[in-house]
Amino acid sequence: DSGVTQTPKHLITATGQRVTLRCSPRSGDLSVYWYQQSLDQGLQFLIQYYNGEERAKGNILERFSAQQFPDLHSELNLSSLELGDSALYFCASSVGGQAANEQFFGPGTRLTVL
Amino acid sequence: AQSVTQLDSQVPVFEEAPVELRCNYSSSVSVYLFWYVQYPNQGLQLLLKYLSGSTLVKGINGFEAEFNKSQTSFHLRKPSVHISDTAEYFCAVSDLAGTASKLTFGTGTRLQVTL
Repeated sequence: DSGVTQTPKHLITATGQRVTLRCSPRSGDLSVYWYQQSLDQGLQFLIQYYNGEERAKGNILERFSAQQFPDLHSELNLSSLELGDSALYFCASSVGGQAANEQFFGPGTRLTVL
Repeated sequence: AQSVTQLDSQVPVFEEAPVELRCNYSSSVSVYLFWYVQYPNQGLQLLLKYLSGSTLVKGINGFEAEFNKSQTSFHLRKPSVHISDTAEYFCAVSDLAGTASKLTFGTGTRLQVTL
């Protein structure tokens, strides 16, 4: 158990819908990361937050947005969902926000878009 | 921009045999290097990381990796594997520049250990 929690574990929805994925970092960690794992794209970095502020951005679609709240939990919002958005979405957290800090991964949320 | 190549998508090996999982990277700047393991239906767990110093890095579960700057490689090895090592292994890089952290992952290598 990494100490990072993600809810829900599974999510099944239809095309065109909007969903919110939630992540609670390990106690004391200030940085949160979101990754997408799919069969065709592999593991891709989406976005990083540090203490409430966006720190780095990766291959995140404009239909996707994220935020980190004052209590440090984070949410990833996915809208206008397409079949290709079906994937495993991981959240990770680290103490600091720099590259040397170990990232601890949550168990993931499996999103299925029908 | 960085990229990571894991040449072997699958590596079958018998229990107690040695194994090497290959990883090559490409980057125009200095990088940190990582190996993560993903067991079925679980998140990723850090096996080991190279930040600086000794090029031979020891990790958890008896794994080690060697950083070779001239060959831009960071191969993962274990002298004797166990059935419980069956999992997906990901090599990743992160550049040193700036205050942000962004892992770029390889496509993964599925290690299948059999009796």
